[in-house]
Amino acid sequence: EAGVAQSPRYKIIEKRQSVAFWCNPISGHATLYWYQQILGQGPKLLIQFQNNGVVDDSQLPKDRFSAERLKGVDSTLKIQPAKLEDSAVYLCASSEGTVPSKQYFGPGTRLTVT
Amino acid sequence: RKEVEQDPGPFNVPEGATVAFNCTYSNSASQSFFWYRQDCRKEPKLLMSVYSSGNEDGRFTAQLNRASQYISLLIRDSKLSDSATYLCVVISSGSARQLTFGSGTQLTVLP
Repeated sequence: EAGVAQSPRYKIIEKRQSVAFWCNPISGHATLYWYQQILGQGPKLLIQFQNNGVVDDSQLPKDRFSAERLKGVDSTLKIQPAKLEDSAVYLCASSEGTVPSKQYFGPGTRLTVT
Repeated sequence: RKEVEQDPGPFNVPEGATVAFNCTYSNSASQSFFWYRQDCRKEPKLLMSVYSSGNEDGRFTAQLNRASQYISLLIRDSKLSDSATYLCVVISSGSARQLTFGSGTQLTVLP
């Protein structure tokens, strides 16, 4: 079974630029999560989708971050404009059910903002 | 107080040792609990769920103490390959069902 796919794996941008990350969850998984993991910290949930609806985006900095999950499958996370403190690994995860449960993570996108 | 707290470590133990980590949570309505393992520069991977009655998977034992609001992970007969960061996850009940990761406990098993 294919795992969660993410691209790109690495991205370096200058502050104030825009960037987008893509995630393809495990086939059939209803719930998709985006996390931000800063070095030395645990993953912080940014947004959770159930099918193509948003369940929780309470920790998403909505002035600069946006995410969508069209057709309840793939998802994109965008940052516009980026700040230095956005440097982190952005992890996408999916789970089978419609409530938070066992999650399967993608390899992540390592973002460096200079 | 953080919603979910873990001792960051590092825990440095010799091979064959027994080591235990705790994870405390502040929301008494928390409902589901998990332990994940994260290797350096890799994604987290599910290690085990934590059930109310406690559960065991080989050398790993997870327990839940609702009265004191913590979960624990016990690793027996540590292997070099157990070296990793161990993350706890707490999921609250209710319609929002908020999901929170701890900051992780780093374990190094020494030869």
